[in-house]
Amino acid sequence: GDSVTQMEGPVTLSEEACLTINCTYTATGYPSLFWYVQYPGEGLQLLLKATKADDKGSNKGFEATYRKETTSFHLEKGSVQVSDSAVYFCALISNFGNEKLTFGTGTRLTIIP
Amino acid sequence: GAGVSQSPSNKVTEKGKDVELRCDPISGHTALYWYRQSLGQGLEFLIYFQGNSAPDKSGLPSDRFSAERTGGSVSTLTIQRTQQEDSAVYLCASSRAAGVAGEQYFGPGTRLTVT
Repeated sequence: GDSVTQMEGPVTLSEEACLTINCTYTATGYPSLFWYVQYPGEGLQLLLKATKADDKGSNKGFEATYRKETTSFHLEKGSVQVSDSAVYFCALISNFGNEKLTFGTGTRLTIIP
Repeated sequence: GAGVSQSPSNKVTEKGKDVELRCDPISGHTALYWYRQSLGQGLEFLIYFQGNSAPDKSGLPSDRFSAERTGGSVSTLTIQRTQQEDSAVYLCASSRAAGVAGEQYFGPGTRLTVT
């Protein structure tokens, strides 16, 4: 079945540091890939997505590229801010009529001023 | 506009009692999803509705769990004879279209504690 494996946390970085959160997936066919974010005290919200190979999703300075050859969708940001502190979830939806999101376990990110 | 709303926000119940959790999706969204977020299991899919029908119930963990949706809008997730392992945050999401075509918008969740 479909699965998502993402980097274990927690991750603690200083402000303005570079961020990479690794995500790899297993799925039938060609899934669509997502990063969701959960800020403290708030609900899950979509951060970015990519629906086909080599697509790059981007939002709020974050980027992730759909790499079919390595089945990866790593989340990157060049300079993190305190306000980026949150839990980040990598997820996929299969293109084979399976409508649900399959999530990774989440990575808690804390940015220190 | 209004987002996905869920009620109650918190529910504490005794083991063996039944509970009902409610989800009000964004107006006009035809697809509705229930997920569960727990420490041990992460985020798990429970059930998906397209309109009032549920094409995918594969994530419901046992026959104590059921859900319905009426009028293509409000959905209720019912847990009968609650157990301590049911303690989790139950999340509802809705989207304009199902699957890859529709971004899922999540509600704030209902935190269920079974004592």
